[in-house]
Amino acid sequence: NAGVTQTPKFRILKIGQSMTLQCTQDMNHNYMYWYRQDPGMGLKLIYYSVGAGITDKGEVPNGYNVSRSTTEDFPLRLELAAPSQTSVYFCASRDGIAYEQYFGPGTRLTVT
Amino acid sequence: GIQVEQSPPDLILQEGANSTLRCNFSDSVNNLQWFHQNPWGQLINLFYIPSGTKQNGRLSATTVATERYSLLYISSSQTTDSGVYFCAAAYGQNFVFGPGTRLSVLP
Repeated sequence: NAGVTQTPKFRILKIGQSMTLQCTQDMNHNYMYWYRQDPGMGLKLIYYSVGAGITDKGEVPNGYNVSRSTTEDFPLRLELAAPSQTSVYFCASRDGIAYEQYFGPGTRLTVT
Repeated sequence: GIQVEQSPPDLILQEGANSTLRCNFSDSVNNLQWFHQNPWGQLINLFYIPSGTKQNGRLSATTVATERYSLLYISSSQTTDSGVYFCAAAYGQNFVFGPGTRLSVLP
């Protein structure tokens, strides 16, 4: 049981490039979340999903897109990367009853 | 939306000391979690505590939902307790994180 896995661990992008951050969970959780954490700050919600085919915006969705075609996977797409998207990105999941989140190890992204 | 505050923002302790971290939230919540973010950036679940008190070794947590606060107690602190402690309040489908308490435990 690997829990929540994220790839890649690190990435450097040039301004205007695009990329997809991958998130996979093997706990059969319905709920999945993407957060970003800027240096010295708390976590802010980007997007979330309550099940396959259903996604919704969080607090800071601009510049990002998501999809949820399976229960296991919840990729986050960055289009036209900007320096303001330099951050650490965390994916999390939980089941439909308990509100206990489980986090992946994070992806550290730098946009220059 | 809900606001989550944590205090103190920073805390420096000598190894062996005890501490209490506080999390206040502005509205009724479905649940509350405490996390430790270690110096390598990993988020580690500490407690899932909608109400009452839980203990795990040297750590314990108490949530008083009716008064909208939660406390995290660290006893006999160790250098490995250093890092940032976050509380996250479950509100609707989602979670709102506090700004964190940065703890440094000195040898």
